[in-house]
Amino acid sequence: DAGVTQSPTHLIKTRGQQVTLRCSPKSGHDTVSWYQQALGQGPQFIFQYYEEEERQRGNFPDRFSGHQFPNYSSELNVNALLLGDSALYLCASSLALAGTSSTDTQYFGPGTRLTVL
Amino acid sequence: GENVEQHPSTLSVQEGDSAVIKCTYSDSASNYFPWYKQELGKRPQLIIDIRSNVGEKKDQRIAVTLNKTAKHFSLHITETQPEDSAVYFCAAPAGGTSYGKLTFGQGTILTVHP
Repeated sequence: DAGVTQSPTHLIKTRGQQVTLRCSPKSGHDTVSWYQQALGQGPQFIFQYYEEEERQRGNFPDRFSGHQFPNYSSELNVNALLLGDSALYLCASSLALAGTSSTDTQYFGPGTRLTVL
Repeated sequence: GENVEQHPSTLSVQEGDSAVIKCTYSDSASNYFPWYKQELGKRPQLIIDIRSNVGEKKDQRIAVTLNKTAKHFSLHITETQPEDSAVYFCAAPAGGTSYGKLTFGQGTILTVHP
């Protein structure tokens, strides 16, 4: 039973560039949430995807966008990179609870370490 | 939205001692409280969680207690071992949704000295 996977592991970009990060959820899960974790901080919620739509969003600018595919995998795109975007980007997968806007327990992937120079 | 405060920020104990980490939350509608352990360079791993319909849950050396009236919950680790050394995060869902948009505490760096 495969857990949550993310790619790439590490990424180095320069200011102004664009980046795409990928996430495959745990088998049987249908919901993907993305978090940004700055060094020494707790993860901060970016957004959540369910049924190929963004269901919830945190306090992040429109430069952060995402997508979910029919197989439940997801991408996080960040445009016009800033130095402050350097962080560990975590994806968490979960199973939506039928008839609610909630999900079950979230399980995290290993993350993608993004460095912006 | 939800606000989660976590204390202490660092905790140092001797092997075999107990460790307690406390969190408070602001949204009275929150009803799910997970704890994650994150080792250096690794992913956050769920170690225990509690739903609001119970006041305490235990799993071997780890326990979590919840006081909904006071809006705080705590992680208790007994008989600590060096491999318990890590950063621990508490979390609570924002906006009354059960498990979706988690707000995390600032983290507690636990060091267990042999």
